[in-house]
Amino acid sequence: SQTIHQWPATLVQPVGSPLSLECTVEGTSNPNLYWYRQAAGRGLQLLFYSVGIGQISSEVPQNLSASRPQDRQFILSSKKLLLSDSGFYLCAWSSIWGGQEKLFFGSGTQLSVL
Amino acid sequence: SQKIEQNSEALNIQEGKTATLTCNYTNYSPAYLQWYRQDPGRGPVFLLLIRENEKEKRKERLKVTFDTTLKQSLFHITASQPADSATYLCALEKAGTALIFGKGTTLSVSS
Repeated sequence: SQTIHQWPATLVQPVGSPLSLECTVEGTSNPNLYWYRQAAGRGLQLLFYSVGIGQISSEVPQNLSASRPQDRQFILSSKKLLLSDSGFYLCAWSSIWGGQEKLFFGSGTQLSVL
Repeated sequence: SQKIEQNSEALNIQEGKTATLTCNYTNYSPAYLQWYRQDPGRGPVFLLLIRENEKEKRKERLKVTFDTTLKQSLFHITASQPADSATYLCALEKAGTALIFGKGTTLSVSS
């Protein structure tokens, strides 16, 4: 069966520090991968999505970036965190064969930038 | 621009009653619409998908309707239970990209 791993579960970082969140998927090949952010009082905001290795689409211009170095690995990064980067970060995958019919989410990373 | 609105941020009902949640969208012509459940501190979990040519879909105590003329979906939970308390999100595919979510409605079912 397919599983998605996301870590760490919680993270407290000072303003201006770098960020690296990692997500891996097991049990499927060539998935579509996504990063969403959920800030307090706001809905799920799509940040990045990827349909293949090295293929990244950005939905919201900001100081975050994403990379997909391997088929089932998706990394969210920042060189310098801002206070506004605080939020709940969720990685998700969908099966490319089923189109984008369902998303399967990881357990999320609660990021607090202080 | 494309928008998804879930009219109620919170809905409180008594156990055994039917909960009805609303999702409206504008500037979309989605091929399908989805509903997810999210518990506090967890990622959303897929519940139901309904296609544009389907007016209604059911799964156990859940029922979803999709009216493309009104640009609205209704999500019903019948015989609600305290365990149904959670935030429910509707989602649509943004043309050729990924799912866009509404802000969600937090349902509280009291016993």
